[in-house]
Amino acid sequence: SQQGEEDPQALSIQEGENATMNCSYKTSINNLQWYRQNSGRGLVHLILIRSNEREKHSGRLRVTLDTSKKSSSLLITASRAADTASYFCATSQGNNRLAFGKGNQVVVIP
Amino acid sequence: DAGVIQSPRHEVTEMGQEVTLRCKPISGHNSLFWYRQTMMRGLELLIYFNNNVPIDDSGMPEDRFSAKMPNASFSTLKIQPSEPRDSAVYFCASSLSRLGRGDEQYFGPGTRLTVT
Repeated sequence: SQQGEEDPQALSIQEGENATMNCSYKTSINNLQWYRQNSGRGLVHLILIRSNEREKHSGRLRVTLDTSKKSSSLLITASRAADTASYFCATSQGNNRLAFGKGNQVVVIP
Repeated sequence: DAGVIQSPRHEVTEMGQEVTLRCKPISGHNSLFWYRQTMMRGLELLIYFNNNVPIDDSGMPEDRFSAKMPNASFSTLKIQPSEPRDSAVYFCASSLSRLGRGDEQYFGPGTRLTVT
């Protein structure tokens, strides 16, 4: 079954810098989603991009999707200490299931 | 809305004991998912329900695991007997799924299970 795979695994940046994470997948998808997980908490949905969309923005988040390369990127601009978390991509093939990647750990240093 | 509610938040039990995890989804959501998260295996889907009916339980590890959803506002995940390798964080999530589009899911805070 397909599964999102994030790259890189861990990222450490200074507050105010941008953070970029990538996700690749293996089969065709209906949509791709990004989630954030703070330590000890459940996952929180950030943004969803459909297969016919190429770019989407939400506040300081920018997501791109390249279906020809089967990849997506999540950009967090002007990072804050509160952005420290793990970030997961998840893909949907059009059924109710989401296939989650292993996650990216992002540390924003104040 | 209170969000997805899970109980207990923490559970410590001895090997061989029965464990029951509980979940209350967001009111109005028609799909409910049970996940398990470990460092080694990441986030794994165990089972999901649509309109209270189990749709896919292929992720349930073995017969020791069972899940029920007797009504739209309550679900349980039971492990009997429990084993140390079941130690993990178990998440419940719900969504308003329309025609199987894979809509965004809302996660509960999780239950941290430790089996000694």
